[in-house]
Amino acid sequence: DVKVTQSSRYLVKRTGEKVFLECVQDMDHENMFWYRQDPGLGLRLIYFSYDVKMKEKGDIPEGYSVSREKKERFSLILESASTNQTSMYLCASSISNQPQHFGDGTRLSIL
Amino acid sequence: QKEVEQNSGPLSVPEGAIASLNCTYSDRGSQSFFWYRQYSGKSPELIMFIYSNGDKEDGRFTAQLNKASQYVSLLIRDSQPSDSATYLCAVNRPAYGNNRLAFGKGNQVVVIP
Repeated sequence: DVKVTQSSRYLVKRTGEKVFLECVQDMDHENMFWYRQDPGLGLRLIYFSYDVKMKEKGDIPEGYSVSREKKERFSLILESASTNQTSMYLCASSISNQPQHFGDGTRLSIL
Repeated sequence: QKEVEQNSGPLSVPEGAIASLNCTYSDRGSQSFFWYRQYSGKSPELIMFIYSNGDKEDGRFTAQLNKASQYVSLLIRDSQPSDSATYLCAVNRPAYGNNRLAFGKGNQVVVIP
């Protein structure tokens, strides 16, 4: 079974802080994704990576950056956290056009 | 037009009945279709995927794809209380290659014992 592990289930940070969310997958998938999920807005793609050091902006990249230094790890960075970034953050991985598999999610609150 | 639409509101079904969920998509070039189940407070879990027109069955779940009409359906037979969840439809976005998905906002299913 695919295992996608997100470093924290719940996280509370303050506005202006730099926040790191980590995601690790154990299936050698080339594709990794960061989404956020908000009530009424559904799942929205923040960033996508298709290989080490390769990334593409998703639909809502503003205020975020990513890092993929190793194939199994994909990090999401909130450069200067704001209250409108309070959300559920979901990491996923996949091979080619095969199904994406999600981690357990990180519920992030920015105070 | 939204990329993926799941229009119907919460669906209440008696235990043992069939739950039917529909999803329409806008890009005629889409080739990959997925259904995810999401329990409240949890992450999405893949339950079905389908790439070809027609039906695909897996246990109590059947996915139906009609590319000409641009819709994909999910049937849940013999519904159980454990099927109470939100079901997300996802479709690949050809304009971005094969890897990106567009998600519908989900349909909530409530199975009444």
